Amino acid sequence: QKEVEQDPGPLSVPEGAIVSLNCTYSNSAFQYFMWYRQYSRKGPELLMYTYSSGNKEDGRFTAQVDKSSKYISLFIRDSQPSDSATYLCAMSTYSGNTPLVFGKGTRLSVIA
Amino acid sequence: DGGITQSPKYLFRKEGQNVTLSCEQNLNHDAMYWYRQDPGQGLRLIYYSQIVNDFQKGDIAEGYSVSREKKESFPLTVTSAQKNPTAFYLCASSTDRLYGYTFGSGTRLTVV
Repeated sequence: QKEVEQDPGPLSVPEGAIVSLNCTYSNSAFQYFMWYRQYSRKGPELLMYTYSSGNKEDGRFTAQVDKSSKYISLFIRDSQPSDSATYLCAMSTYSGNTPLVFGKGTRLSVIA
Repeated sequence: DGGITQSPKYLFRKEGQNVTLSCEQNLNHDAMYWYRQDPGQGLRLIYYSQIVNDFQKGDIAEGYSVSREKKESFPLTVTSAQKNPTAFYLCASSTDRLYGYTFGSGTRLTVV
C-alpha cells in the first residue's frame, strides 16, 4: 500500500460546481497536511495548509482533515475555469527530517 | 522579490551527455529539493539537502548528482547513466518542511 493515495482523475465539472478532491494515507504519524495547485508546465504552489484534524477555510477553498479515517479533502466552491489545474496533496510527520510525502495529483477541468 | 529560480526553462540533451540544471533561491531557506515529474507518476524525489555541504539520496537518485556548496544554490546534474532523463524537473526549498515548500517553475529536459 502506498503511503498516500490520490485519484488521478481527470475530473471535469461545470463552472459553479462544488469540487471535492481527496487523499487517503496509511501513516498515522502524519500531522501536517497541505494542498498544492499546479498549472500546466508550472511549479506547484501552496494553496492550503492544515495541522492535525479539523477544517480550514480560505475564500472558496476549504481543507478538511479526518485523522481517524486517515482522509483529507479539499473543497472548491463556485468553481471557476481558472481553477483548472492539477491538485496535489502532501503531508508530513512532526518528528525527524524526512521530506514531504506527495500524492500523485488529481487533474481538474472546470468547463465554462 | 524573494523566490526560487530554475534555469533553463527548456533543455535539450544528446544521448551520452551530462547536463546541469540550475536552481537558485534568495529566500534564505536551509533545505532544498529536486523532484522529477512524469505524466501519471506524480513528484518523485531525486535528492535533497538540509544544510550546506550535505545532501541525501531520494527515491530515484541513480543517474543523478548534486552539490550544495552555497546555501542559495543546489544544481542537479543529469548524467549519461540516467537512461530515461526526459522529464519535467522541479526544484523546491523550505525553511521548515512542516510548513511546505516553495517550488521553482521547472525545467523541461528532452533527450534528442
